[in-house]
Amino acid sequence: QVQLQESGPGLVKPSQTLSLTCSVSGGSLSSGPFYWTWIRLPAGKGLVWIGRVSADGSANYNPSLKSRVTISIDTSKNQFSLNLNSVTAADQAVYYCVRSWPRHHHALDVWGQGTTVTVSS
Amino acid sequence: DIQMTQSPSSLSASVGDRVAITCRASQNISKYLNWYQQKPGTVPDLLIYGASTLQNGVPSRFGGSGSGTHFTLTISSLQPDDFATYYCQQTYSDLHSFGQGTKLEIK
Repeated sequence: QVQLQESGPGLVKPSQTLSLTCSVSGGSLSSGPFYWTWIRLPAGKGLVWIGRVSADGSANYNPSLKSRVTISIDTSKNQFSLNLNSVTAADQAVYYCVRSWPRHHHALDVWGQGTTVTVSS
Repeated sequence: DIQMTQSPSSLSASVGDRVAITCRASQNISKYLNWYQQKPGTVPDLLIYGASTLQNGVPSRFGGSGSGTHFTLTISSLQPDDFATYYCQQTYSDLHSFGQGTKLEIK
């Protein structure tokens, strides 16, 4: 049973970089056809697709965030990461790392528990 | 970019009611449409993928239909556990996107 767990600072200062890591257990990032995705949920708003990375490191990003975001993968550590720079209050949200399965129309089938990020000085 | 529009944004219904939530895509997405349910303070759950295939373990009262640009999530007989927010998601392009969500509340 694959499990995902987000980790990283819960508080980030404005203009700084938000860095989160997703640790994967119960399966290898380097095997299988999966994509590894970041989603966020701002308070009182809807889900936002941030982007995804494949095992070979190729990534796709939400156009509205593309200039500030990097998603990377470290198969040796079985982790993938999110970096979002120049954060503002609008980046406050619960951040989820999620597995996406191409065979099932890229559906998001395994989710981490989510981590809350606050942007404040 | 593909834009997804859900309607209604909110819906009040009673236990036992049949409800339908629609999702429209700004361009043809074939059947690359997934539905999720999220309850407050919990992780979203995948309900349906490929527009109409039920994820393992999802009750059969949930159903999905549509292709192209028009999709529907139907709940045949609402149960107390179904009051939640529902999202559609397109995965046709390499840049995935969600609808804005439909909040289903108890009448």
